[in-house]
Amino acid sequence: EDQVTQSPEALRLQEGESSSLNCSYTVSGLRGLFWYRQDPGKGPEFLFTLYSAGEEKEKERLKATLTKKESFLHITAPKPEDSATYLCAGRSERGTYKYIFGTGTRLKVLA
Amino acid sequence: NAGVTQTPKFRVLKTGQSMTLLCAQDMNHEYMYWYRQDPGMGLRLIHYSVGEGTTAKGEVPDGYNVSRLKKQNFLLGLESAAPSQTSVYFCASRNDLTSGSPDTQYFGPGTRLTVL
Repeated sequence: EDQVTQSPEALRLQEGESSSLNCSYTVSGLRGLFWYRQDPGKGPEFLFTLYSAGEEKEKERLKATLTKKESFLHITAPKPEDSATYLCAGRSERGTYKYIFGTGTRLKVLA
Repeated sequence: NAGVTQTPKFRVLKTGQSMTLLCAQDMNHEYMYWYRQDPGMGLRLIHYSVGEGTTAKGEVPDGYNVSRLKKQNFLLGLESAAPSQTSVYFCASRNDLTSGSPDTQYFGPGTRLTVL
């Protein structure tokens, strides 16, 4: 069964304290690993898509990386406005149209 | 462009009542999805559509029906609401990847449904 697991469930950082969020996956024939940001009371907002092991993508203080078993979302020198829930999702070869979501990591950055 | 919109934003139902949630997208996307989000469960796919007039079951379809009569609209119906259907419902859309469009789902703002 395809599965995506995120850790930790929650993370509190001081402003400027860099860290990483983990997304482990067992998705048959991965056809994309996706990261989203979700603010309270809002829908998920797309951040990155990664397709192959070794691929990296960056946006401001965020960098996403992918290996054959997991993906990391690295947050460098975070600011309070980076506080949100970060979701990852995988799309498998078995279900081209379907995405398997993890339960998310709730990030709180303290000023 | 409004993107993906959902109506209503909030709704309270009594057990056994019915209702329809409306999702509309103005991006001419082929694929549309209905998810529910519950604490500790992540986003779970209810139903999806790969084009106008088509629908398919997702991971948790029981108790829900959908229709895609127009390309831009995807309706989610609850025929007889149950407390277990209390959740936040999100609609999403995505274009056909063969068109060269980005592999990106765009989500609506959500509908918070409470069934008493």
